[in-house]
Amino acid sequence: DSGVTQTPKHLITATGQRVTLRCSPRSGDLSVYWYQQSLDQGLQFLIQYYNGEERAKGNILERFSAQQFPDLHSELNLSSLELGDSALYFCASSEGTVSYEQYFGPGTRLTVT
Amino acid sequence: AQKITQTQPGMFVQEKEAVTLDCTYDTSDQSYGLFWYKQPSSGEMIFLIYQGSYDEQNATEGRYSLNFQKARKSANLVISASQLGDSAMYFCAMREGRGYGQNFVFGPGTRLSVLP
Repeated sequence: DSGVTQTPKHLITATGQRVTLRCSPRSGDLSVYWYQQSLDQGLQFLIQYYNGEERAKGNILERFSAQQFPDLHSELNLSSLELGDSALYFCASSEGTVSYEQYFGPGTRLTVT
Repeated sequence: AQKITQTQPGMFVQEKEAVTLDCTYDTSDQSYGLFWYKQPSSGEMIFLIYQGSYDEQNATEGRYSLNFQKARKSANLVISASQLGDSAMYFCAMREGRGYGQNFVFGPGTRLSVLP
């Protein structure tokens, strides 16, 4: 158990809908990272937050957004969902802004039908 | 061009033997970090080991060691004394840049199967 929690574990929704994925980092970690893992694109870095502020941006679509709240939990919002958004979404956390190790949550499996 | 290359889609190793999983990377940054993760069939991602570009010693964590050859841009993972529980996908990853320009890139992975 990494100490990172993600909810929900599974999500099934229809195209065009909007969903919110939630992540709580390990105790003491200030950075949260979001990743997408799909069969065709592999693992892709989406975005990093550190202590409530956006810190780094990867291959995140404009339809996707994230935020980190004062209690350090983070949410990833996915809107206007397409079939291709079906993937495993991971959240990871680390102590500082530059990570020397990242601890991953169990992931949220999103299926868009 | 691929930033992280893992040329072995699948590998087999006998239990108790050592195995090397290959990883080469491509970056023009002077400061970067290299990571290895394990993903068992259950799906979770498990951090194994980290090597910084300025670290002179190869990183080790228990049965895992990272064979870092900077000039060749390679960061191979060595697992000693393989166990059945080591059967999983292994991903090599790189952190490039610092601050807002930080980016993380993952390789396609190597599926390791440990044979009894």
